Amino acid sequence: DGGITQSPKYLFRKEGQNVTLSCEQNLNHDAMYWYRQDPGQGLRLIYYSQIVNDFQKGDIAEGYSVSREKKESFPLTVTSAQKNPTAFYLCASSLGQWGETQYFGPGTRLLVL
Amino acid sequence: GQNIDQPTEMTATEGAIVQINCTYQTSGFNGLFWYQQHAGEAPTFLSYNVLDGLEEKGRFSSFLSRSKGYSYLLLKELQMKDSASYLCAVPTASGGSYIPTFGRGTSLIVHP
Repeated sequence: DGGITQSPKYLFRKEGQNVTLSCEQNLNHDAMYWYRQDPGQGLRLIYYSQIVNDFQKGDIAEGYSVSREKKESFPLTVTSAQKNPTAFYLCASSLGQWGETQYFGPGTRLLVL
Repeated sequence: GQNIDQPTEMTATEGAIVQINCTYQTSGFNGLFWYQQHAGEAPTFLSYNVLDGLEEKGRFSSFLSRSKGYSYLLLKELQMKDSASYLCAVPTASGGSYIPTFGRGTSLIVHP
C-alpha cells in the first residue's frame, strides 16, 4: 500500500533538547511539506522541499531544520531555539510543485516536559 | 499576497444541508482545494475546483467563482460523522511553483 507515514505518534521534549520527527512516503512524490497546527488554527507551513537535496523555508521556519537526502524521506528537527514547540505536526507530500493534491501523514503530537 | 477567510465554526442538524464558505485573494490562481480533518487526525482530500461552477461528488459538492474569489462546500444529508474541520486551501504562486496556503478551517458540529 502506498502512503505517507510519520513517527512517533507522540513525542516529549525536555527543555534545551533537539528532537527529530520522521516522515516517509512511498508514493514517489517529488514534493514534501511540514506543517504545524495549533488548537483552533489552520496549517502553517514550516519547510517544504520540491526535489531531493533542496528545501525552502515556509512561513514559520525559525527554530526548525530539515533535510532531504532521499526522495522518500523528509525529517524535521525541532531545535532548542523553538521556544513554543508544543503542537501537532503534519507532514504531507504531493506529486510535484504545481499545486497538486496533498496527501498527509497521521501526524506527530509534540509535548514539552 | 494570499488571504483566505472561512467561518470559524458552524453547527447543523443531522439530515440537514450546510454550506461552508471560503473567500480568497491570490495572484496567479491555480485551483482551490477542500480538505476534511477529524479531530486529532490528518486532513484528507475532498475536492478540487479550477473552473467556475459546481462539482458534485455524492453528498458533497464544491462551488467556485473565480471572478468573486469565492468558493463553498455544500454537505447534504448530514451525518454525525461529518463533524470535523473543513479546510479551504489555495496554491500560491512562488518562484515558478505553487505552494499550498490553508485557511484556518471551519469546525462543523453536527448534532442529532
